[in-house]
Amino acid sequence: QQQVKQSPQSLIVQKGGISIINCAYENTAFDYFPWYQQFPGKGPALLIAIRPDVSEKKEGRFTISFNKSAKQFSLHIRDSQPGDSATYFCATGGSQGNLIFGKGTKLSVKP
Amino acid sequence: ETGVTQSPTHLIKTRGQQVTLRCSSQSGHNTVSWYQQALGQGPQFIFQYYREEENGRGNFPPRFSGLQFPNYSSELNVNALELDDSALYLCASSLGGEEIGTEAFFGQGTRLTVV
Repeated sequence: QQQVKQSPQSLIVQKGGISIINCAYENTAFDYFPWYQQFPGKGPALLIAIRPDVSEKKEGRFTISFNKSAKQFSLHIRDSQPGDSATYFCATGGSQGNLIFGKGTKLSVKP
Repeated sequence: ETGVTQSPTHLIKTRGQQVTLRCSSQSGHNTVSWYQQALGQGPQFIFQYYREEENGRGNFPPRFSGLQFPNYSSELNVNALELDDSALYLCASSLGGEEIGTEAFFGQGTRLTVV
């Protein structure tokens, strides 16, 4: 059964600091690795995604780093802000065209 | 906003009852997937509809069923509700078929509570 292991489970960062969340996968049915951001009471919102033809993708303060040989990818949030406080999920491709999600990382950014 | 809308936003049902949840997909998207998210967990795949046909299913019993309509909107039906069915139910729309692996956009979810 496909699994995605996400760490840490929770993270506390000071405003302006760097938040790093890691994911490891066993296998993937299609080469697409998104990160979702979810606020309480809301659905997950697509934050940034990468395809493994590149090892890194940046969008504003958010960066995905991808290591295909290690089957790992990570999300880096630089200059973290209190508004970034949310739960973050990584995902990989399931065999039925679905997404397989990690268990989530709850990020708290302290002012 | 993603353009994916779900209704209702909240629902309380009694064990043993049946429930229908609805989803309108984003314009131009032909695939709708349903996920169940228990408290403190990641979304779990229930099933997926592509052009009105179920084309993928997760590890959920047959009492979870669905439909997709010609306008690509969708319903999730759950029969014989159990207490463990209490969760946030999420609908995601995307381009399927040859466009597999493209972005999936989620609605705000329906919070189902079974008492």
